Amino acid sequence: AQKITQTQPGMFVQEKEAVTLDCTYDTSDPSYGLFWYKQPSSGEMIFLIYQGSYDQQNATEGRYSLNFQKARKSANLVISASQLGDSAMYFCAMREGSMIKAAGNKLTFGGGTRVLVKP
Amino acid sequence: ETGVTQTPRHLVMGMTNKKSLKCEQHLGHNAMYWYKQSAKKPLELMFVYSLEERVENNSVPSRFSPECPNSSHLFLHLHTLQPEDSALYLCASSQERGQGRTDTQYFGPGTRLTVL
Repeated sequence: AQKITQTQPGMFVQEKEAVTLDCTYDTSDPSYGLFWYKQPSSGEMIFLIYQGSYDQQNATEGRYSLNFQKARKSANLVISASQLGDSAMYFCAMREGSMIKAAGNKLTFGGGTRVLVKP
Repeated sequence: ETGVTQTPRHLVMGMTNKKSLKCEQHLGHNAMYWYKQSAKKPLELMFVYSLEERVENNSVPSRFSPECPNSSHLFLHLHTLQPEDSALYLCASSQERGQGRTDTQYFGPGTRLTVL
């Protein structure tokens, strides 16, 4: 079974509107972290937002917020007031906690969602 | 320079060539990573170096050989590659805080490799 699933391969969004990108995950580890990265056509992976499994509140970073529903194992990214520069691939990733040295370094990525913002 | 840099940004090589990819991080981190991103496949972790010691080798063919001379530099030496090795190779770094805890990974811009 895939550990990170992003079911939307691509989507259009109108400029200035909000968009929600879906991410579901699969883990039996009680300690884990969830990340969202943005990858423009230039290739660089840009870190956007992080949510820890024990965090009580949903993470927010400027126009980005994470809708964390632990029981459903989902960590959807919400981008508010979309801008043309938001057009990119978006990846959800998970790091599972472990006391084994360096195992906590492993990030598992989903397949990504391509977002195209229309003017 | 800030963040994570990678050189070259683009590389075309024949199957018999030997080349190296370079990554440098200016964030004071102690862990570095190589990832491979192929078309239509999720990002794949290749190698992890923590405190200059290789701690992860994700079943990568021996034609890829990593080197981490210090905590700021990471190389990926390439020899006798195959066309299917054409991909975007991304380097990342993070701060490992011990006991399996590590902070967010920050990525470089990648090297787009084409093997003819």
